[in-house]
Amino acid sequence: DIQMTQSPSTLSAFVGDRVTITCRASQSISSWLAWYQQKPGKAPKLLIYKASSLESGVPSRFRGSGSGTEFTLTISSLQPDDFATYYCQQYNSYFRTFGQGTKVEIK
Amino acid sequence: EVQLVQSGADVKKPGESLKISCTVSGYTFTTYWIAWVRQMPGKGLEWMGIIYPGDSDTKYSPSFQGQVTISADRSISTAYLQWSSLKASDTAMYYCARHYTRYDPVDYWGQGTLVTVSS
Repeated sequence: DIQMTQSPSTLSAFVGDRVTITCRASQSISSWLAWYQQKPGKAPKLLIYKASSLESGVPSRFRGSGSGTEFTLTISSLQPDDFATYYCQQYNSYFRTFGQGTKVEIK
Repeated sequence: EVQLVQSGADVKKPGESLKISCTVSGYTFTTYWIAWVRQMPGKGLEWMGIIYPGDSDTKYSPSFQGQVTISADRSISTAYLQWSSLKASDTAMYYCARHYTRYDPVDYWGQGTLVTVSS
């Protein structure tokens, strides 16, 4: 299995802050990486695919970057609606794996 | 409109069997993979396995191989996840989701089915 390691596990920030979440793969996954946002009691929502492509309808303050084994999700100016848990997921393999998640909390 | 609608919450006792469903609409069922994802209470997302309804090709993540069975009924555009003997540790929210090819992300999810296993 390809292991995905996210950091930090929890992040406290103010509205308007720039936040960055990192995801590392245990082996190269090229650009086959997606980012999802999950709010309590809801299904995950696709934000970014192929490492840096913005899903339709997702605000442009979300940006993904990276390739190979190192990836980042950046929110340029945190909004109240962005407080949620974020997961990376590799899809280089049929056996897709998620990072453990990063909870973004209000400071 | 693409929709994946899952069956309702269920409460079972250890050792009982269960089959939960995911009925899709708004696209051709046989042309997208359906995945099942587990989320234990307060925990992260775990990829369980996938099925391609077009030919019933099924792949299980190693952790779930032999623990669950994934199937599909093309005639009613429905995918299933089933257990033959539930354990308390199967208590979780289960999501179905779809992706197009091996190199496409999951783009639509079901609303989730909460399975509670308790004596």
